[in-house]
Amino acid sequence: EVQLVESGGGLVQPGRSLRLSCAASGFTFDDYAMHWVRQALGKGLEWVSGISWNSGNIAYADSVKGRFIISRDLAKNSLYLQMNSLRDEDTALYYCARDSWLDLGSGSFGMDVWGQGTTVTVSS
Amino acid sequence: QSVLSQPPSASGTPGQRVTISCSGSSSNIGNNYVYWYQHLPGTAPKLLVYRNNQRPSGVPDRFSGSKSGTSASLAISGLRSEDEADYYCATWDGSLSAWVFGGGTKLTVL
Repeated sequence: EVQLVESGGGLVQPGRSLRLSCAASGFTFDDYAMHWVRQALGKGLEWVSGISWNSGNIAYADSVKGRFIISRDLAKNSLYLQMNSLRDEDTALYYCARDSWLDLGSGSFGMDVWGQGTTVTVSS
Repeated sequence: QSVLSQPPSASGTPGQRVTISCSGSSSNIGNNYVYWYQHLPGTAPKLLVYRNNQRPSGVPDRFSGSKSGTSASLAISGLRSEDEADYYCATWDGSLSAWVFGGGTKLTVL
């Protein structure tokens, strides 16, 4: 079964760091680009970051650029999001999503597999 | 404020056809494919349409996407109660070098 399982969410104080993980199974992880997408309570979906199949192409939303770092470990079939200098507005449910294409950008066939999400709460 | 503009709400009665619009610019919709996602509260988002008008396997043909210039639309025909959800358009923005989502449209089946 194709599956993505996020972990690492929790309550963290503003200015601190947190690392999210996404474990992939049921498909060849190396063949796909991956994304992090978040949804704050009562708000819409917001793309956070994406990474190509070989980590050669990485992109971030302006709202997290310079604070968040996306990475992947092909040996562990895992995607990560290192979140630094966290702010109140980073509070959200964070989804890991598979891109049905190997690179970032306009060639995509869409984000076709999603995890159930992990909740990040930034509060003092 | 999202780069892509969607109406915040839409509604219809069972059996009706509804359309949800998504407006962008030349840096996003105008020069890239559009994707549509369905999101029910408490569940993972689901890909409904990719590359403007293609449906993934398993998505009913009641859902159809189209694009013209810098705008796109999702049409849902034969509306059913289970279609009540939030719908998002998305695309790559070449100027931002980032994916962008619309603000979402909450569809109510009356």
